[in-house]
Amino acid sequence: AQTVTQSQPEMSVQEAETVTLSCTYDTSENNYYLFWYKQPPSRQMILVIRQEAYKQQNATENRFSVNFQKAAKSFSLKISDSQLGDTAMYFCAFMKRTGGTSYGKLTFGQGTILTVHP
Amino acid sequence: NAGVMQNPRHLVRRRGQEARLRCSPMKGHSHVYWYRQLPEEGLKFMVYLQKENIIDESGMPKERFSAEFPKEGPSILRIQQVVRGDSAAYFCASSPLPGLAGDNEQFFGPGTRLTVL
Repeated sequence: AQTVTQSQPEMSVQEAETVTLSCTYDTSENNYYLFWYKQPPSRQMILVIRQEAYKQQNATENRFSVNFQKAAKSFSLKISDSQLGDTAMYFCAFMKRTGGTSYGKLTFGQGTILTVHP
Repeated sequence: NAGVMQNPRHLVRRRGQEARLRCSPMKGHSHVYWYRQLPEEGLKFMVYLQKENIIDESGMPKERFSAEFPKEGPSILRIQQVVRGDSAAYFCASSPLPGLAGDNEQFFGPGTRLTVL
């Protein structure tokens, strides 16, 4: 079974600054996907960024980037130029990949509440 | 293209009643997942379905909970004889058929908040 751990229950950052959220995971699988989801106060789950484990290059999406360390089983999220709208709960999640396709069950971490201050 | 729809958004039940939560996946998506989020916690997987078939129900409590995704109509998560501990937000997500482009992304609905009095 997979486990995902987010060791920072809460983080805060000043607007326009950079913040990094940590995530570690444990799995015996070799092929998998990792995700960061954002859950704002509306509670809608929004995909922020994804990483395919077989790709060495770290994923980036505009102000969001990841530091994927496969050997260390670490997957941190860096948010640059933080904006007030980034205030939300952030969840790290794992999905295994079977053969050439994904297998849909997501395993989530406990979440990190990020507050961006003006 | 409408997103994943869930209804009702809020549901209040008294202990012992039944709760029925509905989920309509995105157009073209054939796979549905249900997750439960207890207060101040992350989402926990419950069940993974395709039409007329349960693929993985390893996260479903053994009693009182059931799920279906019929050939026609929405997926239903049914909780019989609800107890206070069932109070949570229940999220549905959908994805395309495995093997198709985008099959690793799940699109989430807005959730149903169940309150058991």
